[in-house]
Amino acid sequence: SQQGEEDPQALSIQEGENATMNCSYKTSINNLQWYRQNSGRGLVHLILIRSNEREKHSGRLRVTLDTSKKSSSLLITASRAADTASYFCATEPNTGNQFYFGTGTSLTVIP
Amino acid sequence: DAGVIQSPRHEVTEMGQEVTLRCKPISGHNSLFWYRQTMMRGLELLIYFNNNVPIDDSGMPEDRFSAKMPNASFSTLKIQPSEPRDSAVYFCASSFGRPEKLFFGSGTQLSVL
Repeated sequence: SQQGEEDPQALSIQEGENATMNCSYKTSINNLQWYRQNSGRGLVHLILIRSNEREKHSGRLRVTLDTSKKSSSLLITASRAADTASYFCATEPNTGNQFYFGTGTSLTVIP
Repeated sequence: DAGVIQSPRHEVTEMGQEVTLRCKPISGHNSLFWYRQTMMRGLELLIYFNNNVPIDDSGMPEDRFSAKMPNASFSTLKIQPSEPRDSAVYFCASSFGRPEKLFFGSGTQLSVL
């Protein structure tokens, strides 16, 4: 399977704390993306990092990519209750224009 | 922009019945993806179209599943006959150009009894 795996599967933190989620994947990639899914809804794109990039920021989001370890991390700083959702990484292998999603991290931010 | 539109939102059917899921991608997008989401297997890519042509259908579980994209604004995913193990949320997503960002619909929750 080309799917990635997120770690941890579930994460519960207090509002204001930082949340870190990790993603590992198996194949060489063109890029890696992170998506968010609220309960009962479709996925929403958050941020993309290309294979030649090591770090990227967008608002309270910080993504890192280590292609040698085939891993990425998503950091959400100063978390809010509204950040409660599932977060997925998605990889585009360099063999084609498909996207393979990881298993997701369920984040709960307690007010 | 209405986003990716999927119908129906919920579908409950009995084993053996035919199920048709529908998707209208965002206007101007030329790539369309069908995914299936379950607790056990997460998000699985079923099939991917580019310019209405199926590019990769290796994720389609078996011959009971078929997908079509007769034009740039419409796609269907059909299951015939349906089985209880097909119960899942089916998502359609679209993108433009060399896909780097997927736009997802709200999904169809399918329950096969």
